[in-house]
Amino acid sequence: DAGVIQSPRHEVTEMGQEVTLRCKPISGHNSLFWYRQTMMRGLELLIYFNNNVPIDDSGMPEDRFSAKMPNASFSTLKIQPSEPRDSAVYFCASLRTTRFNEQFFGPGTRLTVL
Amino acid sequence: AQRVTQPEKLLSVFKGAPVELKCNYSYSGSPELFWYVQYSRQRLQLLLRHISRESIKGFTADLNKGETSFHLKKPFAQEEDSAMYYCAFPTNAGGTSYGKLTFGQGTILTVHP
Repeated sequence: DAGVIQSPRHEVTEMGQEVTLRCKPISGHNSLFWYRQTMMRGLELLIYFNNNVPIDDSGMPEDRFSAKMPNASFSTLKIQPSEPRDSAVYFCASLRTTRFNEQFFGPGTRLTVL
Repeated sequence: AQRVTQPEKLLSVFKGAPVELKCNYSYSGSPELFWYVQYSRQRLQLLLRHISRESIKGFTADLNKGETSFHLKKPFAQEEDSAMYYCAFPTNAGGTSYGKLTFGQGTILTVHP
C-alpha cells in the first residue's frame, strides 16, 4: 500500500484564488482527518469523517473552508477565497477504527498564498 | 476539558546526552497515550504508544498517573533524533471513538553534534 496520498505536494497561489487539496486514504480505512500545521499554532484538527460522513467540523476556521468526502477513497479540502494567513502545511490522515487506533498521515500539502 | 500539554516548544541537547520531552495530560479515566514524530519535511508517524510498553529507536515513555505525565525519554540522544515530537491521546465524540486524537503543541528537538 502506498499509504495516504495527498496532492498537490506544493501549491503556490495568489490571494483570492480557490485552492483544492486532495487526499486518498489507505484502502479499508474508515476515518479520515484533515489537519493544518503552522509554527505558531502547531497541529490543528480541521474536520474529520467517519464512513464518509462529517463528524465534527468545529475546527474549520471560517466559511471559506469546506471539505467533502464523496466516497471511501477520496476527500477534498477547499479554500475559497484563499488568504495569505491560510499558508500552512495541510495534512490528511486516515485509520481503521479498532481498539488501538493509529492514524496514518499523508506527506502533506505545503500551501503558500501570496 | 481533556487536554495534553507539552510545555517546551524547543529543546536542544548535545549528542550522547540524555533527553526528556515532557507531556502532561488532563483526562478523566485511563488514558491511552501516543507519541508521534515528524522528521524534517516528512509525514507524521507513530513513534510509540504507552499500551504496548515498547522501546522504539531507544525511546521509552512511562505513564505516570500520579503526575499525569507521559514523558518521552532517551538515555543517549543521536543527531538523527532531531525532529518535531507530538504527544497525543484519543478523544471520543459523544462516547464513540472515531479515532480522533488530541495533539499537544509539539516540541522541536535539536540534537547538536
